This record gives sequence, C-alpha cells and structure tokens, in this order.
Amino acid sequence: RKEVEQDPGPFNVPEGATVAFNCTYSNSASQSFFWYRQDCRKEPKLLMSVYSSGNEDGRFTAQLNRASQYISLLIRDSKLSDSATYLCVVNGKSNYQLIWGAGTKLIIKP
Amino acid sequence: ETGVTQSPTHLIKTRGQQVTLRCSSQSGHNTVSWYQQALGQGPQFIFQYYREEENGRGNFPPRFSGLQFPNYSSELNVNALELDDSALYLCASSLDTTGDYGYTFGSGTRLTVV
Repeated sequence: RKEVEQDPGPFNVPEGATVAFNCTYSNSASQSFFWYRQDCRKEPKLLMSVYSSGNEDGRFTAQLNRASQYISLLIRDSKLSDSATYLCVVNGKSNYQLIWGAGTKLIIKP
Repeated sequence: ETGVTQSPTHLIKTRGQQVTLRCSSQSGHNTVSWYQQALGQGPQFIFQYYREEENGRGNFPPRFSGLQFPNYSSELNVNALELDDSALYLCASSLDTTGDYGYTFGSGTRLTVV
C-alpha cells in the first residue's frame, strides 16, 4: 500500500461546478498535511495547509479526518484556471520528510 | 525577497556520466530539501540539508549525494547516471527542518539520461 494515495483522475468538470478530492495516508503519526497544486511541467506550489478543525480559503475548503486517515479538498465555483494536478502531502515518519501522493489531475471545461 | 532558483533548467546526460544540480535557497531559509519527480508521480524525498549537514535521507542509493554551503545554497550530485534517473529534480527551501512554515520550491531541473 502506498503511504499517500490519491485517485489519479482526470476529473473533467464543467466551469462553475464543485469538485472534491480525497486522499488517504497510512502513517497515523503524521502531524502536518498540505495540498499543493502543480501546473504542467512546473514546480508544485502550496495551495493550503490542512488543519484538524478544517479550514477554508476563498473557494477552497480542506478537511482532515484523523480517525479514517484521509484528507479532502473541495473546490467551489471552479474556474478554468483551476485546471492542474492537485497533490496531497503529509509529513513522514521524520518531520523533515514530506510524503507525496501521485496527484489528481483536474480539467475544468468551459 | 528572492525565491528558490535552480540551475540548469534542462540537462541531457549519457548513462554512466555524473551530474551536478544547483539550488539557491530563498532569503532567510536555512534548510534545503531535494526531491525527484518522475513523470506522472509525486515528488520523492532524496535528502535534506541543514547547516551544511545532511539532516535526513530518503530511499536513494549513495550515488546521490549533496552539499550545502555557508550561504545555504545546495548542490545535488548524481554519479553513474542510469536511465531511470531521468526526472524533474526539485529543490525546496524552508525556514526550519520541520517545514511547519511551508516549503518554497524552485522551478526544477529536468534531467534526461540517454
């Protein structure tokens, strides 16, 4: 089993729709959780950290379920510019090590 | 405030050769981590440098080695290149070793081994 698992997609979604991604992780001791966004052939960029109580940043909402060991990302009112690969990231057995999912590809269609 | 810069942006090497990739960390960041991202995969942790010493290492063979300099810039060296080493190599700097304040990534070096 991979340490961080994501549905690779692609998710094809019409502009304006709401889309949700889930991610599961295997290390119950993980303390830090992130969503990164990566555009084609570019470096990953931090979208948002994920806090235990859940957090929202504009159209984006992230939630953490420690009991089930999964993280979710919800995007409301999707825009064409949201098209990218979304990577779920958790810290590994050592704090310095980030463990990355393979990413979920999102395509927003007009 | 400058971000993380990596050089070169692209590189083609022959199997068996050696390569050195360079990274300048963001101003104020003392920790540099290196990642390998193969096509269609998430980045894989190679190692982290803090105060010029290796602070942790992922599951990569010894032919992957690194350095950090007093100005916190870093190098990744790969000896005896293999075809599977073809990937995007990402450097990330952070304020500390935990990454609790986030990581800033460079735009990467795309290495092709032929």
